[in-house]
Amino acid sequence: NAGVTQTPKFRVLKTGQSMTLLCAQDMNHEYMYWYRQDPGMGLRLIHYSVGEGTTAKGEVPDGYNVSRLKKQNFLLGLESAAPSQTSVYFCASHRDSGNTIYFGEGSWLTVV
Amino acid sequence: RKEVEQDPGPFNVPEGATVAFNCTYSNSASQSFFWYRQDCRKEPKLLMSVYSSGNEDGRFTAQLNRASQYISLLIRDSKLSDSATYLCVVNSGGGADGLTFGKGTHLIIQP
Repeated sequence: NAGVTQTPKFRVLKTGQSMTLLCAQDMNHEYMYWYRQDPGMGLRLIHYSVGEGTTAKGEVPDGYNVSRLKKQNFLLGLESAAPSQTSVYFCASHRDSGNTIYFGEGSWLTVV
Repeated sequence: RKEVEQDPGPFNVPEGATVAFNCTYSNSASQSFFWYRQDCRKEPKLLMSVYSSGNEDGRFTAQLNRASQYISLLIRDSKLSDSATYLCVVNSGGGADGLTFGKGTHLIIQP
């Protein structure tokens, strides 16, 4: 049981480049989330999904796009990376409101 | 926006001591509550769920007070390995406002 898997784990981008982070979960969870966490700060919600084919904006959505074409996958895209997007990104998922939230191991992104 | 508030600390505690911290939440309709532990540069991991009747897991005790809208975590006989950031998580049904994280309480256990 892999749980929540994020790829890639580390990436260095140049300003203006694009990339996609993949979050995959094998637990048949409905809810999936993308967060960013900056040094010494809490988790900030970027986008989330309450089911296959649905996405919604979180607290800090600007500069990011997401897609949930398959229930098990939630993709986070950066169309034109900026240094302000240097951060660690965590994906999370859960089944419903009463259940444990599972996190991926994080994706460390540096934009130079 | 629904809020979850925690004292950021740091709490500096000698090894073997007992330490407790609280977390307050604003959404009275919140359904489930959790404490997560996050180590430096790692993902948050579930420490324990918090049940209405209170629950204990070894040295850790969690309690929920719905009337005052707070949850608490008590750590007894603290170990050096307990040093971490403890996140309070409140789930009110999923989605942006449904899943709310506190910013965490930083705990440092000193030898």
